[in-house]
Amino acid sequence: GQQVMQIPQYQHVQEGEDFTTYCNSSTTLSNIQWYKQRPGGHPVFLIQLVKSGEVKKQKRLTFQFGEAKKNSSLHITATQTTDVGTYFCAGRPLYRGAQKLVFGQGTRLTINP
Amino acid sequence: GAVVSQHPSWVICKSGTSVKIECRSLDFQATTMFWYRQFPKQSLMLMATSNEGSKATYEQGVEKDKFLINHASLTLSTLTVTSAHPEDSSFYICSATAGVPYEQYFGPGTRLTVT
Repeated sequence: GQQVMQIPQYQHVQEGEDFTTYCNSSTTLSNIQWYKQRPGGHPVFLIQLVKSGEVKKQKRLTFQFGEAKKNSSLHITATQTTDVGTYFCAGRPLYRGAQKLVFGQGTRLTINP
Repeated sequence: GAVVSQHPSWVICKSGTSVKIECRSLDFQATTMFWYRQFPKQSLMLMATSNEGSKATYEQGVEKDKFLINHASLTLSTLTVTSAHPEDSSFYICSATAGVPYEQYFGPGTRLTVT
């Protein structure tokens, strides 16, 4: 079945350093979404990317969707302690009527203040 | 807007009993609801997709007779864990979508502990 691989599994940075997590799908995606889950909390939607090569920014967060629509990345510039959490990518398969998302394993970000 | 609630937030039950978890979309009509299971420090595993008024579509390896899903209305879906065993202990999260662009809104989750 379709798989979405996410790396790294864990990342520890000093506050102020940058952070990047990468997501790769075994098949072409219709779109990809990113979610953040704080410790003890539930996933919260961050963004959706739909177009090939799309880049979107949210303040210090930059999201990219690959040209082949099989990979994506999330980059955080100058991390802050509020960025702590697990970041999940979730891809929607490219077939008619696909509703479900396939989640990556997540990247857990911890920050040393 | 786009708030999803889950009840209960945590539950402890004995082996062999059944537990029902409710998922409600509070301020929108959810065309589709999803049920996930999450083990500690792991990703979300989709268990089933349910559309209002129709049978749920279960993912491979998920026992439909053990995890009963009912989606009776556009704002309510329930997951019943039947004859629970300790290995069913987990964090169960529902999500709901209202259609395009299919953004999923997650509930706060239900932590089930089976003793």
